Amino acid sequence: DVKVTQSSRYLVKRTGEKVFLECVQDMDHENMFWYRQDPGLGLRLIYFSYDVKMKEKGDIPEGYSVSREKKERFSLILESASTNQTSMYLCASSPVEHFYEQFFGPGTRLTVL
Amino acid sequence: AQRVTQPEKLLSVFKGAPVELKCNYSYSGSPELFWYVQYSRQRLQLLLRHISRESIKGFTADLNKGETSFHLKKPFAQEEDSAMYYCALSLNKFYFGSGTKLNVKP
Repeated sequence: DVKVTQSSRYLVKRTGEKVFLECVQDMDHENMFWYRQDPGLGLRLIYFSYDVKMKEKGDIPEGYSVSREKKERFSLILESASTNQTSMYLCASSPVEHFYEQFFGPGTRLTVL
Repeated sequence: AQRVTQPEKLLSVFKGAPVELKCNYSYSGSPELFWYVQYSRQRLQLLLRHISRESIKGFTADLNKGETSFHLKKPFAQEEDSAMYYCALSLNKFYFGSGTKLNVKP
């Protein structure tokens, strides 16, 4: 059973803080993704990674960066949090042979004050 | 540009009624399309993909290239179908629609 875990379910930060969101998967998946989920906008891809140390920009990478030093871990970094980054953040992973079959984590609801 | 459009934010039907969740996509080639579902307090999960042409939980979706649509259908809705449904398109990236909340009333 694939398990994707995210470090926090709820997080409250202040404007200007550096924020780290961690995601770990235990199925040896090559692909990992970070999305943000907002009402009326659906899921929007921030970044994805198809291998260790590899990353690709999604649709809304501005204000975010990522790190993938190990295959099982994909970190999302908000260099200087802003209120418009208040959102639900979802991490997902998928095997290389089935890119589409994404397994999602429970999400982190981030509030930036 | 919006790659995947789900025109309805909310769809309410009565139990036993047919349901159709609309999805239109923007792509001129042969698309790979999917439906994902998120039940209350559960994770987002894959429901079905067009290439498998399977029925999952009574739902089917047919790709119509002429209309660039991939609508999700079920002939008789159940209360447990109430959830958020996302249509998705896989190209070099993965594109999700804005989602439709299905509410099946008793």
